[in-house]
This record gives sequence, structure tokens and C-alpha cells, in this order.
Amino acid sequence: DVKVTQSSRYLVKRTGEKVFLECVQDMDHENMFWYRQDPGLGLRLIYFSYDVKMKEKGDIPEGYSVSREKKERFSLILESASTNQTSMYLCASTEAGESHEQYFGPGTRLTVT
Amino acid sequence: GQSLEQPSEVTAVEGAIVQINCTYQTSGFYGLSWYQQHDGGAPTFLSYNALDGLEETGRFSSFLSRSDSYGYLLLQELQMKDSASYFCAVRDDYKLSFGAGTTVTVRA
Repeated sequence: DVKVTQSSRYLVKRTGEKVFLECVQDMDHENMFWYRQDPGLGLRLIYFSYDVKMKEKGDIPEGYSVSREKKERFSLILESASTNQTSMYLCASTEAGESHEQYFGPGTRLTVT
Repeated sequence: GQSLEQPSEVTAVEGAIVQINCTYQTSGFYGLSWYQQHDGGAPTFLSYNALDGLEETGRFSSFLSRSDSYGYLLLQELQMKDSASYFCAVRDDYKLSFGAGTTVTVRA
């Protein structure tokens, strides 16, 4: 079974803090994705990566950055957390050319106070 | 960019059939995926249509009409465990763009 794990299930941070969300997949997938999920808005793509050290902006990259130093790990960074970044963050991975079938981690519920 | 529309909520009784429609506007289209997400859980992949027609996977079927920019997910013989949110998503080369989701509530 594909396993995608995320570093924290719940996280509470203060405004202005730097926040790191980690995602690890164990299936040697080339592609990895970060989404945020908010009620009524579905899943919105923040960033994705199709190879180590490669990254592409998604639909809502403002206020976020990412890092992919190893194939299995994709990190999402909030340089200076703000209250409007309070959300559920979901990581996903997929094989190259198979972006229609994504495997998701359990999510991190981030609250910024 | 991508724009997808699907109903926000559907309620039905056990054993019934539910159809969730999805219309999309897209600048690039490879296919339409469907995902299920139970409350508090992660989205899980259900089906994918790259070509026109019907794909059947057990009690669930998915349909695509590329000329109409339209697809649907059909849930048959509804069970209580089918209560969840369902998302359609357009595949655009490397990535997916998701709809806002349809909450399906199954009543006894």
C-alpha cells in the first residue's frame, strides 16, 4: 500500500512564526503536491514538484514556499504565518504521468493565532 | 485556468441511486477524476475518465462527455458508509484542479 505521512496531525502556531510542514511518501513517486482545504472551496493547489529540486507554483502560492531535497520528502514552508493560513493542509503523491490518481496523506490541521 | 461546478449537497436513502454532476471549463484537459473523502479522512481516488463514456467500478460508475465538458459520478445501491464528500477534478498535464465538493448524506 502507498503510504503518505505528514509530520503533524494538528499544529498551533502564532502569527509571524515560520512553520514547516513535512510530507514523506514511501512509493518512490516522482510527483508530490501540497493543497489546502477550506470549507466550500475544495482542495486548492499551493505547489507541486515533479522531480527532486523541481517545484512549480499552483493556484495559491502566495505566502508559501516548498523544498524537495529528496525524492520521498516534500516540505511546505510558511515564512511568516498569518491567521488567513489557518486551514487543513494535505500532501499527495503520484507516479509520473499518473497525476489523475493521487495518494493523500492524513492532513495537518494548522491553526494560526 | 480551471473552473468546476458540482452540487454542494445531496441527500438520499439507503438503497437509492445518486448522480453527482460536474461541469467544467478548462484551458487544458486530459481527463476527469473523482475522489471520496469521509469526514476527518483523506481524499481517496475513485475513478478516472480520459475518454467519453462510462467507467464502472462496483457500485460506482463515472461518465464523461468531453464535447459537453460534463461528467458525473453515479452511486448505486447506496449504503450508510457512502456518506462522504465527493470531488470531481480536472487533470491538466501534471496536476489536478478540484471542484468544491458534494456532500452526500445517506439516510436509513
